[in-house]
Amino acid sequence: NAGVTQTPKFRILKIGQSMTLQCTQDMNHNYMYWYRQDPGMGLKLIYYSVGAGITDKGEVPNGYNVSRSTTEDFPLRLELAAPSQTSVYFCATYSSNVGRTEAFFGQGTRLTVV
Amino acid sequence: AQSVTQLDSQVPVFEEAPVELRCNYSSSVSVYLFWYVQYPNQGLQLLLKYLSGSTLVKGINGFEAEFNKSQTSFHLRKPSVHISDTAEYFCAVSAPDSWGKLQFGAGTQVVVTP
Repeated sequence: NAGVTQTPKFRILKIGQSMTLQCTQDMNHNYMYWYRQDPGMGLKLIYYSVGAGITDKGEVPNGYNVSRSTTEDFPLRLELAAPSQTSVYFCATYSSNVGRTEAFFGQGTRLTVV
Repeated sequence: AQSVTQLDSQVPVFEEAPVELRCNYSSSVSVYLFWYVQYPNQGLQLLLKYLSGSTLVKGINGFEAEFNKSQTSFHLRKPSVHISDTAEYFCAVSAPDSWGKLQFGAGTQVVVTP
């Protein structure tokens, strides 16, 4: 199993450009998340989904959008990139199965907005 | 709502010495507690977790943590570190009814030197 796969691994965007960060999982988990990681700040939740067709805002949703059309995929969209969105983005899933309650993370996407 | 405080942003330690990373949390409800490790340019990997039961939790790579409800702490320990333990460590909490959303501390960078 590949687990949680994110693409691309690195990207440089110009201010005002848009892009989609891709996330796909093969673990059949209903819960999926997008976090951003900034130095000294830990990880902050951007958006999450509890199943196909259901999404909700996290702590820092401004400037982002998500969709969840299938269990496997949870893309994150940046419409008008700003320097404040320079960060490392992590997609994650969550298993609430007894004995395996934990989150599983992708390898991250490092985004720089210039 | 929950919050997490990691009391040390950086911990230098010599190889084969013990290390303790401190984590305190605040919550009005019972929580699940996690420690994750992030190696350079990698995603997050679960070290250990506390869901219920025994307050002493053993994880991978020789790490253990103790849940102290009265002090709202979940400190991570290893009796003898290796160079390969150089990484960033994150403490995180989740309420059982919060759809797996994690609240992270700011992280502790552990640097192991010979």
